[in-house]
Amino acid sequence: GEDVEQSLFLSVREGDSSVINCTYTDSSSTYLYWYKQEPGAGLQLLTYIFSNMDMKQDQRLTVLLNKKDKHLSLRIADTQTGDSAIYFCAESDDSNYQLIWGAGTKLIIKP
Amino acid sequence: DTAVSQTPKYLVTQMGNDKSIKCEQNLGHDTMYWYKQDSKKFLKIMFSYNNKELIINETVPNRFSPKSPDKAHLNLHINSLELGDSAVYFCASSQRWEYNEQFFGPGTRLTVL
Repeated sequence: GEDVEQSLFLSVREGDSSVINCTYTDSSSTYLYWYKQEPGAGLQLLTYIFSNMDMKQDQRLTVLLNKKDKHLSLRIADTQTGDSAIYFCAESDDSNYQLIWGAGTKLIIKP
Repeated sequence: DTAVSQTPKYLVTQMGNDKSIKCEQNLGHDTMYWYKQDSKKFLKIMFSYNNKELIINETVPNRFSPKSPDKAHLNLHINSLELGDSAVYFCASSQRWEYNEQFFGPGTRLTVL
């Protein structure tokens, strides 16, 4: 079945760039998503990328998609303490429109 | 204005009890979801309703019963609570079934003693 994998933790220094990686198995997904979960809160959609795109940039966020390798990454430039959160990668299962979720990557910011 | 709200935020109860969690969205969305997030933060879809009809019912014990009285509400009733039911339960909604931009509620932390 479909699967989405992410590392569980990433630690970066404040001001550096963070790169969170994700691999997925369903090559037919139309969209891939990044959701952010701050401590004690629900998830919120951060950004998404259409499967026919290689890159999408939105202010400090850059999403890169390598369809051949089924690899998705989220780069956060100039990481701030407010970026501390868990970042979930998700792909859409186009057969039933269900989201297939990764386990989430906890981003830890060091001063 | 709260888009997706859940009550209660915290729920502490004894094993064997029956409890309900309520969810309401004021976004005018057609589709609503219940997710369970365990202590390791793994997120698992439990149910999905579209226009008050059940469309996803994952492998969830039948002690869990969702109810959607109208499009804006999706409640979750749990019978005979067990220790393993302790988790954070999230309600979410999306504009339509085909749209995966989901809006999440703040979560209900359920602790079963």
